[in-house]
Amino acid sequence: KAGVTQTPRYLIKTRGQQVTLSCSPISGHRSVSWYQQTPGQGLQFLFEYFSETQRNKGNFPGRFSGRQFSNSRSEMNVSTLELGDSALYLCASSPQTIYNEQFFGPGTRLTVL
Amino acid sequence: GENVEQHPSTLSVQEGDSAVIKCTYSDSASNYFPWYKQELGKRPQLIIDIRSNVGEKKDQRIAVTLNKTAKHFSLHITETQPEDSAVYFCAGDSNYQLIWGAGTKLIIKP
Repeated sequence: KAGVTQTPRYLIKTRGQQVTLSCSPISGHRSVSWYQQTPGQGLQFLFEYFSETQRNKGNFPGRFSGRQFSNSRSEMNVSTLELGDSALYLCASSPQTIYNEQFFGPGTRLTVL
Repeated sequence: GENVEQHPSTLSVQEGDSAVIKCTYSDSASNYFPWYKQELGKRPQLIIDIRSNVGEKKDQRIAVTLNKTAKHFSLHITETQPEDSAVYFCAGDSNYQLIWGAGTKLIIKP
């Protein structure tokens, strides 16, 4: 099976702009989670989608949003970008829940100038 | 909110020696504790996990122990090899999401 893919791999934006990141899970996986990874902070949970519904949400402001399509592909949107949003954004898919192994994508490196 | 603390942040060991990474968690309802390994420039990958109904789990050179009373769990790597060099993350479940430790950079000295 093909692994989790994310596009684009790199993005450079300026403050105030918005950005959309895309994640294609492993075929058959219905759960997609998004994480923000910054040096020294580990992985911060953004949200999880299952069957096109947001099932859980982390402690991020409303500028961070997402959605999932019927084919389980997921998008994440960040509006009104701030310098502090610069990070590696990882998505992970699993068959059903977070209690299954999470298969991570390569990430999207977002730089906000 | 709930959190997971991980120590040490950096661990340097001689090749062939053992390495131990420790994590503590705050949510007494946590039942699932995975460990992920992230090599430089690569994506995190699950190496082992443990659920609260067992106290220890082994997979070749890797073992994880869990003490629910003390709310801590540890990763043990024996006979370390150069390919063990990576950042290791622990996590615990809380309210149907994974709470992650900040990571431990493991350096294997030749």
